[in-house]
Amino acid sequence: EDQVTQSPEALRLQEGESSSLNCSYTVSGLRGLFWYRQDPGKGPEFLFTLYSAGEEKEKERLKATLTKKESFLHITAPKPEDSATYLCAVRVEDQKVTFGTGTKLQVIP
Amino acid sequence: DSGVTQTPKHLITATGQRVTLRCSPRSGDLSVYWYQQSLDQGLQFLIQYYNGEERAKGNILERFSAQQFPDLHSELNLSSLELGDSALYFCASSRTGGTGNEQFFGPGTRLTVL
Repeated sequence: EDQVTQSPEALRLQEGESSSLNCSYTVSGLRGLFWYRQDPGKGPEFLFTLYSAGEEKEKERLKATLTKKESFLHITAPKPEDSATYLCAVRVEDQKVTFGTGTKLQVIP
Repeated sequence: DSGVTQTPKHLITATGQRVTLRCSPRSGDLSVYWYQQSLDQGLQFLIQYYNGEERAKGNILERFSAQQFPDLHSELNLSSLELGDSALYFCASSRTGGTGNEQFFGPGTRLTVL
């Protein structure tokens, strides 16, 4: 069974304090790994898609990386507006999508 | 605003009842996905349609069914509702049905079963 595990469950950072979120996965036939941001009561907002080990993508203060077993979302010098739940998801050969339970990030001014 | 619309925004109903949730994808998107998000189980993939045809099936209960119409809007039908079906139901759309396609999520329908 495909599994996606995110850690930590919650993270509290001071503004400007860089950190990383982890997404580890056990799947057969990975066809894409996705990162989303979700604000309370709203739908997830797409951030990145990664396809193969070694791939990296950046957007403003966020950088996503992928290895054969896990992905990291690095947040550099976060701001309070970066506070949200960050979700990781994988898509496999049969097109199914499995989401992790997310990391709830709080950035304190 | 993602461009994906969902109606209704809130729905309160009783156990045993049947409800229909509606989703309109972004203009030009051919694929629609349905997800259920509850507090204890996170975001669960239910089903995907591409251009009117079922493309992928996740953990969708037999009491639930979906379809995508020729105008590409989609409906999720939930029947014989149970208390445990209370959740946020999200619809997402993407340009094609491919594996790497970016999905745009709607604002969700909050279903409460009493």
